[in-house]
Formats: sequence, structure tokens, C-alpha cells
Amino acid sequence: EPEVTQTPSHQVTQMGQEVILRCVPISNHLYFYWYRQILGQKVEFLVSFYNNEISEKSEIFDDQFSVERPDGSNFTLKIRSTKLEDSAMYFCASGQDSQETQYFGPGTRLLVL
Amino acid sequence: AQSVTQLGSHVSVSEGALVLLRCNYSSSVPPYLFWYVQYPNQGLQLLLKYTSAATLVKGINGFEAEFKKSETSFHLTKPSAHMSDAAEYFCAVSVRAAGNKLTFGGGTRVLVKP
Repeated sequence: EPEVTQTPSHQVTQMGQEVILRCVPISNHLYFYWYRQILGQKVEFLVSFYNNEISEKSEIFDDQFSVERPDGSNFTLKIRSTKLEDSAMYFCASGQDSQETQYFGPGTRLLVL
Repeated sequence: AQSVTQLGSHVSVSEGALVLLRCNYSSSVPPYLFWYVQYPNQGLQLLLKYTSAATLVKGINGFEAEFKKSETSFHLTKPSAHMSDAAEYFCAVSVRAAGNKLTFGGGTRVLVKP
């Protein structure tokens, strides 16, 4: 069964460093999403992406964040200058159309020191 | 804006007993409702979804949920718990007008006792 994959599974970085989280969505899906979950808190929406552009973003998704689909298979989330409060589990999701189920990857646990 | 409240961050059930996880939502337009399950070190897996068809929705692993508009609820049940049901369960809502982003509840961790 096709699944969403994410790499790395864990990432430790120093405050102020750039990180790139990578996702490979399911191949025939057109809608892509990033969510995050700070330890002990709710899963929060960050951004949705369709047709090579952001379709919606949350207040969390400020200028430090960017997304890209560089090669038609990968979907990346970049944090330019990480802060301590960016430590969280980051989930990628994809869907075939906007009303269909979103399929989630296993997540990348990011720790900013 | 939509929101979801899950009552009880932890639920403990005996193997073979009823599992009941509560979810209440708030939405100004007709919602789509979802239950996801997360097993340790895995991603979120869809259990079931309500998208304005039948109000009683059956999902995988013997779970079902009933949409009750009057109570703004979408509680998840399973008649008989199995050890493999130990996981964290998330209720989520989306609406077409909001671009299909999912808004999640806080999650309920289920412990199954032998």
C-alpha cells in the first residue's frame, strides 16, 4: 500500500541553524500539507500546498518557514533560523483531492538546542 | 473558525470492554469529521470519516462513530477492546471553506488492561 515517507526521523540542531525536513507524498496525490505537534500539545496545521503554490497557511507559518516541491516527488519544509520553540514533531500529509482523506507520514522529531 | 474538544486525555479500559472516546466540535458550516489513530513511533492513520452521508460511520478495526448534529458530537466507539487498540486517538474537523485543513483535538491515549 502506498504511504507517505519522511526523512529524517529525528533531527537535532542548534538554535539559529537552518533545517530542511523532507517528505515523499503518495505519488498520485495533488494536495500536500505540513502539521506539527509540540510535545503535550495539539497537532497544528502549518501550511497546505497545491499546484506549486501555498493555498493556505497558519499564523505559525511566518517568514522563517518555506515549502517547496523541487522535483515532482519530494515536498520539503525549510526553517531558516530555528528557535527553541520550533522543537516539535513535524508531520507531512498528502491527499488526492481537497475533500479526500489526508494520509500522514510517520513524522520528523525536531529538537532545537 | 472550527475547533475540536476531546474529553479525557487518557482512557483506561479492560480487554473486551467497550471503548468510548468523546469528541465535540464547533463549526459555523457543515463539517467533515475524522478520527485518526497513532500507534507508537508511527504516523496518523485514518480510522474513519464523516462527510455528510450516513451519520453512523464504520471504520477499520471494528471502530464506528456517530455524527450527532444536535449535540455537535462525533464520539468513537468499539464494542470490545483488544490489546492492539492501545494507541492515541485524534478527532479532527475540516470544512471546505477553510481549504480542507484539519483542526485536531488534543488526543486521547487509550490504555488496554488485560
